[in-house]
Amino acid sequence: QSVLTQPPSVSGAPGQRVTISCTGSSSNIGAGYDVHWYQQLPGTAPKLLIYGNSNRPSGVPDRFSGSKSGTSASLAITGLQAEDEADYYCQSYDSSLSGSGVVFGGGTKLTVL
Amino acid sequence: QVQLVQSGSELKKPGASVKVSCKASGYTFTSYAMNWVRQAPGQGLEWMGWINTNTGNPTYAQGFTGRFVFSLDTSVSTAYLQISSLKAEDTAVYYCDRSTSSGAFDIWGQGTMVTVSS
Repeated sequence: QSVLTQPPSVSGAPGQRVTISCTGSSSNIGAGYDVHWYQQLPGTAPKLLIYGNSNRPSGVPDRFSGSKSGTSASLAITGLQAEDEADYYCQSYDSSLSGSGVVFGGGTKLTVL
Repeated sequence: QVQLVQSGSELKKPGASVKVSCKASGYTFTSYAMNWVRQAPGQGLEWMGWINTNTGNPTYAQGFTGRFVFSLDTSVSTAYLQISSLKAEDTAVYYCDRSTSSGAFDIWGQGTMVTVSS
C-alpha cells in the first residue's frame, strides 16, 4: 500500500488529454512538500518529467504539465502520442510520527488507444 | 554528459551477498546526494534511502535496515549498495539516482537486475 495513491491505469486516444492524480495526506503533499513526476518507458529507468509540482526539466515537451492543490497533485498530458505509453509515478516527501522519507505513488499505466 | 553507470546483472544464491556499483560522471560527485530505489518485478518504485556524498553518512528507509549498506569511494566518484544474506524477495532492479535540492531525482542509473535463486 503506497503512501501516495494513483489510479492503476488510464487511457486515451491519440491527440486527447489525460490526467493522472496523486492523492496524499497532511503528512506529505498537504504538508507543503513538493511533488515530482517520472515517466518509465517499458524496460528502461524512470525519467524525471516534472519537478517542484509544475516545472519541466529541459527537453520535456510542454504537452506535460503538473499541478498541486491541497493534499493532491495531478499530471496532465495533452496531445497524447503513442510514445507516451508508459508507467507514471508521483513522488513526494512524508514526515509522520512513524518516520520520514521519500515516498512514491504506486504508479499509473498509461495506454494510448 | 551527466550520467550514472551501474554494474551489470547479478545472479546469486540465497544467503549470499552482492555489491552494486554506481559510477558518476559529468558533474561534481560530492555536490549531490545519492539515492537508491528498488523495483521488484512488475511492481512500483520503492525508496531505499540515501547517502550524503560529502560525509558518507547513510540514511535507510524503513524496511532497508540491517542487510543493506550504502557506501562511497569519492576518489572514483562511485556509490555502492551492498546487500547481505540475500533472499528470494530481494530479486529486483536496483537504481541509483541523484537528488537535487528540490528533492527530485534528476539523473538515474540504468538499473542493475539482482536475481536471487537457488
